Amino acid sequence: QSVLTQPPSVSGAPGQRVTISCTGSSSNIGAGYDVHWYQQLPGTAPKLLIYGNSNRPSGVPDRFSGSKSGTSASLAITGLQAEDEADYYCQSYDSSLSGSNVVFGGGTKLTVL
Amino acid sequence: EVQLVESGGGLVQPGGSLRLSCAASGFTFSSYSMNWVRQAPGKGLEWVSYISSSSSTIYYADSVKGRFTISRDNAKNSLYLQMNSLRAEDTAVYYCARDEEAGYFDLWGRGTLVTVSS
Repeated sequence: QSVLTQPPSVSGAPGQRVTISCTGSSSNIGAGYDVHWYQQLPGTAPKLLIYGNSNRPSGVPDRFSGSKSGTSASLAITGLQAEDEADYYCQSYDSSLSGSNVVFGGGTKLTVL
Repeated sequence: EVQLVESGGGLVQPGGSLRLSCAASGFTFSSYSMNWVRQAPGKGLEWVSYISSSSSTIYYADSVKGRFTISRDNAKNSLYLQMNSLRAEDTAVYYCARDEEAGYFDLWGRGTLVTVSS
């Protein structure tokens, strides 16, 4: 059971908009920790997609956007393309854990219909 | 080219040991904290261990504490993970990941597969 909760799967048709939620609690997202998002294409390593809740690294299309409110965060993908089919993970920190406190969501599989 | 390349994975029996390596290139390795993150087959990402740039601060996930040891050699631009007393549940692809001090992992290696089985 992940500390950050994501839907196991979402789907959308090409050109559509989809959102992926990441729900936490008062000890992680609600405590003010930033949320970051990673994209993992089939058979590859994760890649940073969004950092600091809503910032895109160089090279990431502006079709991808992130937001955070309260104890939750969201990743939105507009103009869905076939190559967006991948697993998406949110990541933050949790003050109730010892050590580095890094936590990941369970991941969401995006299917492009 | 900025990259991380893991090596050292393989098949090991339960109770055995394995040492993973991660070779960094294209950036000033000694300036960055580093992490190991693993992914069991068909499962999500699990953070394993963290080491600061000077090795002064080290953290472990509870699931590996006392069995795994993270280390680095800045002169060799390398990160290591010594894994002892391996269990079946340690079976996973192990990734090394560069730690951007703002709290995210901005560079990942391709991973190395560790299989613990008799």
